[in-house]
Amino acid sequence: KAGVTQTPRYLIKTRGQQVTLSCSPISGHRSVSWYQQTPGQGLQFLFEYFSETQRNKGNFPGRFSGRQFSNSRSEMNVSTLELGDSALYLCASSSLTSGNYEQYFGPGTRLTVT
Amino acid sequence: AQSVTQPDIHITVSEGASLELRCNYSYGATPYLFWYVQSPGQGLQLLLKYFSGDTLVQGIKGFEAEFKRSQSSFNLRKPSVHWSDAAEYFCAVALSGGYNKLIFGAGTRLAVHP
Repeated sequence: KAGVTQTPRYLIKTRGQQVTLSCSPISGHRSVSWYQQTPGQGLQFLFEYFSETQRNKGNFPGRFSGRQFSNSRSEMNVSTLELGDSALYLCASSSLTSGNYEQYFGPGTRLTVT
Repeated sequence: AQSVTQPDIHITVSEGASLELRCNYSYGATPYLFWYVQSPGQGLQLLLKYFSGDTLVQGIKGFEAEFKRSQSSFNLRKPSVHWSDAAEYFCAVALSGGYNKLIFGAGTRLAVHP
């Protein structure tokens, strides 16, 4: 099976702009989670989607949003970018069958805000 | 609040030496426990997991981890380290009923001397 894919891999944006990141989960996986990784804060949970519904949300401002499509692909959007949004954004997918909580991560999208 | 502590930020070992990376968690019940590895510029790869049962779990790449309820610990071990093991290692917990929200430790960066 192909792994989790994320596009684009690298992105440079200017403060105040908005950005959309995309994640395609492993085939058959219906849960997609997003994480932000920064040197200062480490890995932090953003939100999780399952069957097109947001089930869980981390402690991030409303500028961070996401959605999931019927084919389980997910996008996250950050509006009004700030310098502090520069980070590696990781997407993870999970099948959630039989209580399986294993999450498989994509390579990430490196966002730089200037 | 739930938390994960990895006391060692950096560890350096010689190739062929044994390795133990420490992880402690703070949570009232037994969570689901994971170890992930991240090579530079890469996403996270799952090394092993503990959900229940045998407290000594085996993972990929020759790693194992032991869950100790009394110490709220889930330490990662490898009997003989290879130069390719140099990477950053993250301990994570997921709370039962918390769906796919992983809480990560700050990570331990492993350097391997030849």
